[in-house]
Amino acid sequence: QQPVQSPQAVILREGEDAVINCSSSKALYSVHWYRQKHGEAPVFLMILLKGGEQKGHEKISASFNEKKQQSSLYLTASQLSYSGTYFCGTEGPGNTGKLIFGQGTTLQVKP
Amino acid sequence: EAQVTQNPRYLITVTGKKLTVTCSQNMNHEYMSWYRQDPGLGLRQIYYSMNVEVTDKGDVPEGYKVSRKEKRNFPLILESPSPNQTSLYFCASSRRPGQSFAYEQYFGPGTRLTVT
Repeated sequence: QQPVQSPQAVILREGEDAVINCSSSKALYSVHWYRQKHGEAPVFLMILLKGGEQKGHEKISASFNEKKQQSSLYLTASQLSYSGTYFCGTEGPGNTGKLIFGQGTTLQVKP
Repeated sequence: EAQVTQNPRYLITVTGKKLTVTCSQNMNHEYMSWYRQDPGLGLRQIYYSMNVEVTDKGDVPEGYKVSRKEKRNFPLILESPSPNQTSLYFCASSRRPGQSFAYEQYFGPGTRLTVT
């Protein structure tokens, strides 16, 4: 089952902050975050692993609450280049290689 | 340059005419995967492969076939395409998931398929 992302869309001014949430109904082993700009392929941002290990972007942070099966992506002091659609992908236990993505959150940053 | 390539980038075809979308990566990645992207539904995994000759179904495998005979290539086959397979398709690759799927996926540029 797809994880649920919220909000579906958000509009910001440059310099403002945003939080994108990803919630799953299943136990999670890892959460992956990607950003896709219009007409382009998704690009990796971050991976968060059960147990706290985190690997990813310099200016974007995220959290992973294993008990609640939730992850949040924090975009601080947003820049115009942050505009795009953000996807979370979840991996369940078992290292299956199966990744399930949410429906996406569209972020628009205005000058 | 490290990359994932897909061909063709655009394809318009008719119902029932078999087609193959090729995917190739030059990063020596073990893991490869196919996704389809539809408005409002995000990315949905079709098939994935953990290594040569090892493939498994994703969330939406119906109507698709794959093969992994070489490490670098992972073609997607639609033996009898139907209009509901009209979509944007992405191929991706990464290092093999070890104890965790802790490796970033590199996506190809996408193939826009229209089935009439």
